[in-house]
Amino acid sequence: NAGVMQNPRHLVRRRGQEARLRCSPMKGHSHVYWYRQLPEEGLKFMVYLQKENIIDESGMPKERFSAEFPKEGPSILRIQQVVRGDSAAYFCASSFLAGGQETQYFGPGTRLLVL
Amino acid sequence: QKEVEQNSGPLSVPEGAIASLNCTYSDRGSQSFFWYRQYSGKSPELIMFIYSNGDKEDGRFTAQLNKASQYVSLLIRDSQPSDSATYLCAVGTGTASKLTFGTGTRLQVTL
Repeated sequence: NAGVMQNPRHLVRRRGQEARLRCSPMKGHSHVYWYRQLPEEGLKFMVYLQKENIIDESGMPKERFSAEFPKEGPSILRIQQVVRGDSAAYFCASSFLAGGQETQYFGPGTRLLVL
Repeated sequence: QKEVEQNSGPLSVPEGAIASLNCTYSDRGSQSFFWYRQYSGKSPELIMFIYSNGDKEDGRFTAQLNKASQYVSLLIRDSQPSDSATYLCAVGTGTASKLTFGTGTRLQVTL
């Protein structure tokens, strides 16, 4: 039973390029969350999606960042025109609701380095 | 005031001792509480979750929740060197909602 999958695990981009991060939730999970962890800082919520819907994007920067979770395929976090401050670990978590309770399981993360 | 507060540590305990990790939160509407363990360079791994006041035990781990005091803790009995990691407290406000994380407490279990 595969866990949450993320790729790539490591991504290097130059300033101004685009970064695309992918997340495949655990089998049977329909909720996807993206979090960012800056060096020496805690995890910060970015966006919560269900299939074809953005439920909560209150943590997303207003510009350059977007996310989607299409009907088919993985969830994508897209960062346009990356800057050095975007260098961080980006974690995806998936979950499903059972009995009114939800538990989020994290993927291995994508470590983005912007040169 | 931070939404979820943890002492950053490091908390150093000898092997075999009980490690006690604490967390306070500011949102009284919080409904779900989680402890994750994160080794350096790795992703968070779920250790415990608790939704109701009181204690919840799972093996060497016990989570304690006091909603009136807005306080949640994690006890690790018979601490092992492999327990050395950063422990993240996370709080959710609904049945399907984002988690707000503390900055984590670094635990060191010494031989």
